[in-house]
This record gives sequence, C-alpha cells and structure tokens, in this order.
Amino acid sequence: SYELTQPLSVSVALGQTARITCGGNNIGSKNVHWYQQKPGQAPVLVIYRDSNRPSGIPERFSGSNSGNTATLTISRAQAGDEADYYCQVWDSSTWVFGGGTKLTVL
Amino acid sequence: EVQLVESGGGLVQPGGSLRLSCAASGFTFSSYDMHWVRQATGKGLEWVSAIGTAGDTYYPGSVKGRFTISRENAKNSLYLQMNSLRAGDTAVYYCARSVDTAMGLDYWGQGTLVTVSS
Repeated sequence: SYELTQPLSVSVALGQTARITCGGNNIGSKNVHWYQQKPGQAPVLVIYRDSNRPSGIPERFSGSNSGNTATLTISRAQAGDEADYYCQVWDSSTWVFGGGTKLTVL
Repeated sequence: EVQLVESGGGLVQPGGSLRLSCAASGFTFSSYDMHWVRQATGKGLEWVSAIGTAGDTYYPGSVKGRFTISRENAKNSLYLQMNSLRAGDTAVYYCARSVDTAMGLDYWGQGTLVTVSS
C-alpha cells in the first residue's frame, strides 16, 4: 500500500517561512492535498491539487509537488498557524494520509 | 452555508455494532462524493470509507468487510454501519465531502466519538 512520510514536527520563528514535506514514491504524479487541524477542531483543507488554495485560505499558504516530495510552505508564519498539518493523496482507490506534522511557531 | 452534522456515536462493547449518520445541508448532496475519516485520541487522520455519486464504495483493508457506507440522497444523509467493532476502532469519526479526488475534502463535520470498550 502507498505510504506518505511527514516529519513529526517543524518549528518556525514568528514571521519566517515554514516548509512541511510529504514524501511518497513518485508523489509528483499524484494530486496532493493538505489539511490544517487545530486542537479540538475538525481538519480544514488549505491546499488542494498540489498548489491551489480554497476560498478563504490566506495567500501565505502555498504548495508544490515534484518527484518524490510534496511541500507545504507557510510564509510569514503567525501564531495562529500553529497546528497539525496532514498531506493526502488518492492511490489505488484509497485515500492515504500522511502521519501529520506538528507546526510550532516560536 | 454548508453543514455536515454527525450523530450516532457512543459507547459500545467489543464485537458490537453502531450506525453513524451525517446530516448534510447547504449544498446539493447528490452531486458530491462523501467520506468518513476517523482520528483516535492523539493520533493522525485515518480514512475509513468513501461513496461516490453513483453509489460506488471504497474501504481500506482495516475496515473492509466490517463497515458499510451508504447514502440516502432524498434525505441528504450519509451513513456508516459498523459491525464487529474492536477497541482499535475507538476514535472521533468525521464525515466530509469532496467534488472528486482531485479537489480534496473541502468541508468536514465536527465529528462524533465512538468508544469501543467493555
């Protein structure tokens, strides 16, 4: 079965740029979606199809996908961005989630 | 306003059954794929099942043969019948919608807690 690998945690200084990676075999050939989840809340879609932002998601959130790695980039990180982030792909008629990355804003 | 409201969670004994429901409003329910995703306390997201607009269903190996997803478009409702429940099925269960696999799950409910314990 397909696997997605994310770092357990990423730290970023306030106002700096955070990058969260999602590794998978030839993931560049798949559509990657990213979700933000804050404690006690449901996940929120922040990037779909590699690099597209849903309505209401700040431009500070961007995504890329190539080769074996997809990346979620959060520019000018704010305290409110502190959350868990999950990548997701559709593979062989199943949805696969990465294990999640806890983003800490220092 | 799009709303997804789950219900039906609770405490059930190992080997028991439970049926979850998800009431949808604010969009044309029949035009969307629907999903169940679960999250054990302190753990990550795990996809549980999906149903397409044509009624096609999908499951991961961990629940195949035990869980059944269904939808009733006339009632704007999604269901998850869970049988032969195990302690490892304890989690918050979310319902979510998607246009298709290229668009991600764009709206989620707030979840309902299922606890499997004796």
